[in-house]
Formats: sequence, C-alpha cells, structure tokens
Amino acid sequence: KQEVTQIPAALSVPEGENLVLNCSFTDSAIYNLQWFRQDPGKGLTSLLLIQSSQREQTSGRLNASLDKSSGRSTLYIAASQPGDSATYLCAVFGTSGSRLTFGEGTQLTVNP
Amino acid sequence: NAGVTQTPKFQVLKTGQSMTLQCAQDMNHEYMSWYRQDPGMGLRLIHYSVGAGITDQGEVPNGYNVSRSTTEDFPLRLLSAAPSQTSVYFCASSYSWFRQGARRLYGYTFGSGTRLTVV
Repeated sequence: KQEVTQIPAALSVPEGENLVLNCSFTDSAIYNLQWFRQDPGKGLTSLLLIQSSQREQTSGRLNASLDKSSGRSTLYIAASQPGDSATYLCAVFGTSGSRLTFGEGTQLTVNP
Repeated sequence: NAGVTQTPKFQVLKTGQSMTLQCAQDMNHEYMSWYRQDPGMGLRLIHYSVGAGITDQGEVPNGYNVSRSTTEDFPLRLLSAAPSQTSVYFCASSYSWFRQGARRLYGYTFGSGTRLTVV
C-alpha cells in the first residue's frame, strides 16, 4: 500500500525567505506526482504535476523536483510572500489502482 | 465557469438520516472521485468512477453509495448518517485513459467541498 509523508507538518517563515517542502512515498512505481495548494475552507488547486519520466517542473516562483528511485519530491518556493500562506499537499498516482494517494500536507505561514 | 460544482456547501444531519451530496463537472472528464478530509488523516478516497455506469470502492467506502448514470454527475449518498461521517467531502474529476494496460489520470480538478456535521 502506497504511503505518502510530508515534512514538516507546519512551517512559519518571514516574507522573502526561500523554502523547501518535502514529500516522500513508499512505492516508487508511480506515473506522476502532483503538488496541490489548499486555502482554509477551500478546495484543492493543482500547482505542479511531474510525470515519472521527468526530474522537475517549474511554474513562476515554484519548482518541484522528483527522485523516483529514492521516493522523494521537493517543492521549492522562492522569495515567499504572505499570499503563499496555505496548506501544500503532495499526491502520487501509482501504477496499480486508479487513484491518487495524498500526504497530510504542510501548513505554511509566511509572516509580513 | 468550467469546473467541478459541489452542493450543498454546508449540511447538518441527525444520526440515522440519509442524504445525497451532489457533484457535477462540465469538462467531459471520464474519471470522478469522492474524498473525505479529516484532521490528522489527510484525504482518503471513498469511491471513484472511470466512466458512466462504472464505479469502484476506495479506501473508506462503508456507509456510502455512489452511482454514475451520466458523465457529468457523480452523487454520493449517505445511507444512515453517523457522527463518524462528520467531515469535509471533496469531489474531483480528471481526464482518464488507458496506456500500456493501465489507467492514467491527468488534470485533476477539485470542487470547493461540502462540510458535513452529523449530530
């Protein structure tokens, strides 16, 4: 059974800092990995999707990397802003079963 | 606006009552799914569907029923509500296709959620 772990569970940083969120998964047989953002009381918004054949994806100040062999992904946020405050979740789609498996998320607070 | 629409946004039920959470998408996605989100447990898959007339169980299906009569709609039914079903429920949809004997998903889109309280 695939298990996804995100570290840290919560993170508080001053505005402008560069930061890294971590995601690890137990079964490396995946098709893709996605990073989502969830604002309080809202649904999930997809940020980046990395196919299993890719090493990284970039969108604006966000960069996600994937090391499938070690079962790890990182989300790098450059020059953080208060508007980045949210919970960030990673999810993997495995080769067996038609489903995403989610981590519990990292709650990020960026202080002005 | 294209997307996934969930209704209602909030609901309070008494133990033993039944109700249906509605989910509709207008992106012609074949794949639709229901998750519940609970503190400390993350998002857990309840049921999913890979097309009209086809449904399957996820991790936590007990106490819930689904059907998929059209591509657009995927309602979730609570048969006899229990306090343990107090949660936030999310519907999601995605493009889906088969490749090399296995299903692929792309373009996962979530609804805004239904907050359900069972008293």
